Amino acid sequence: DNQMTQTTSSLSASLGDRVTISCRASQDISNYLNWYQQKPDGTVKLLIYYTSRLHSGVPSRFSGSGSGKDFSLTISNLEQEDIATYFCQQGNTLPYTFGGGTKLEIK
Amino acid sequence: QVQLKESGPGLVAPSQSLSITCTVSGFSLTNYGVHWVRQPPGKGLEWLGVIWAGGSTNYNSALMSRLSISKDNSKSQVFLKMNSLQSDDTAMYYCARDRAGNYYAMDYWGQGTSVTVSS
Repeated sequence: DNQMTQTTSSLSASLGDRVTISCRASQDISNYLNWYQQKPDGTVKLLIYYTSRLHSGVPSRFSGSGSGKDFSLTISNLEQEDIATYFCQQGNTLPYTFGGGTKLEIK
Repeated sequence: QVQLKESGPGLVAPSQSLSITCTVSGFSLTNYGVHWVRQPPGKGLEWLGVIWAGGSTNYNSALMSRLSISKDNSKSQVFLKMNSLQSDDTAMYYCARDRAGNYYAMDYWGQGTSVTVSS
């Protein structure tokens, strides 16, 4: 299986900060990398698909980049509502696999 | 609007089977695939499998022997069945729509249904 690693399990930042969350694949996944946001109540939403494409309705302060094995999600101008856990997921090969998650907290 | 809603038994006895229904609205199962994902308490997300629009399925190989996904297009329902449950199957179970377009992303998720395996 293609293992997805998010080395930072938790991150603390201030409102208005620019935050970057990283994700690494154990094998090349081209651009088949997606990012999800899970709120404390368990609600899961797609933010970014295919590395950098913004899902409908997602604020433009979210952006994604990378290719091959290394990817990142950037939140510019952090807002209170961004408190959540963020997961990456590869869609290049079955079984689809998720990173362990990065929990974002406000300082 | 696109909605998915899971319904399940809540509590399952060890060694018994689990059946969960995902009822969808706002789109047709003949046009979109549906994934199943679970999350044990305090842990990350695990992909279980998918049923594609045409009816074919793919499963996580680690669970393939115990897992079955099917659907009824006319009722807009997708079904997950898992056999021989043990305590480590305790989790929140989610269904999610495949985004389509061969991106293999899950664009809309249900709220999840909690399953506890206990006697």
